[in-house]
Amino acid sequence: GDSVTQMEGPVTLSEEAFLTINCTYTATGYPSLFWYVQYPGEGLQLLLKATKADDKGSNKGFEATYRKETTSFHLEKGSVQVSDSAVYFCALPRTGNQFYFGTGTSLTVIP
Amino acid sequence: GAGVSQSPSNKVTEKGKDVELRCDPISGHTALYWYRQSLGQGLEFLIYFQGNSAPDKSGLPSDRFSAERTGGSVSTLTIQRTQQEDSAVYLCASSSSRNQETQYFGPGTRLLVL
Repeated sequence: GDSVTQMEGPVTLSEEAFLTINCTYTATGYPSLFWYVQYPGEGLQLLLKATKADDKGSNKGFEATYRKETTSFHLEKGSVQVSDSAVYFCALPRTGNQFYFGTGTSLTVIP
Repeated sequence: GAGVSQSPSNKVTEKGKDVELRCDPISGHTALYWYRQSLGQGLEFLIYFQGNSAPDKSGLPSDRFSAERTGGSVSTLTIQRTQQEDSAVYLCASSSSRNQETQYFGPGTRLLVL
């Protein structure tokens, strides 16, 4: 069945470091792919999405490219900030617009 | 505010007691979802409401769990005879009919069963 597999955390980086959080998926067809973010004490919010193969989603300096050849949707940011500290979830739609979510990757950025 | 709200934010209960968790979706959103986030786990889908259609209950883990949505708006998730393994954060989300793929989440209810 459809699923997403996300890089295990936690991840700790220094400010201005490069971030990659890996996400791979298994799906029938070519669904949209999503990254959600959960800041401390807040609900999940959509970070970015890509609706078809080779699309690049971007927001707040984060990017992810939908790569069908490697079934991946890795999240990247060139220079992280302390305010990026959060839990990041890769997500794949299932029937009825529910989602399969990854297990989440906790990111802590230290000054 | 126009976001999804949930209450209570925290709930501590004793094993065997019933609990009710409330979700107020964004006004006008036709779809409402409940998820559970257990420690160290990803989000687990529980139940989905879409308009006046019969809800998709395929994610409910046992018959102790039930949910209803009154008037197409507010939803209540009820857990009967709570068990310690029910301890988790319960998240509610809603989405609009025009953009069903984008879900807006509430801050969650943190449930602790002693």
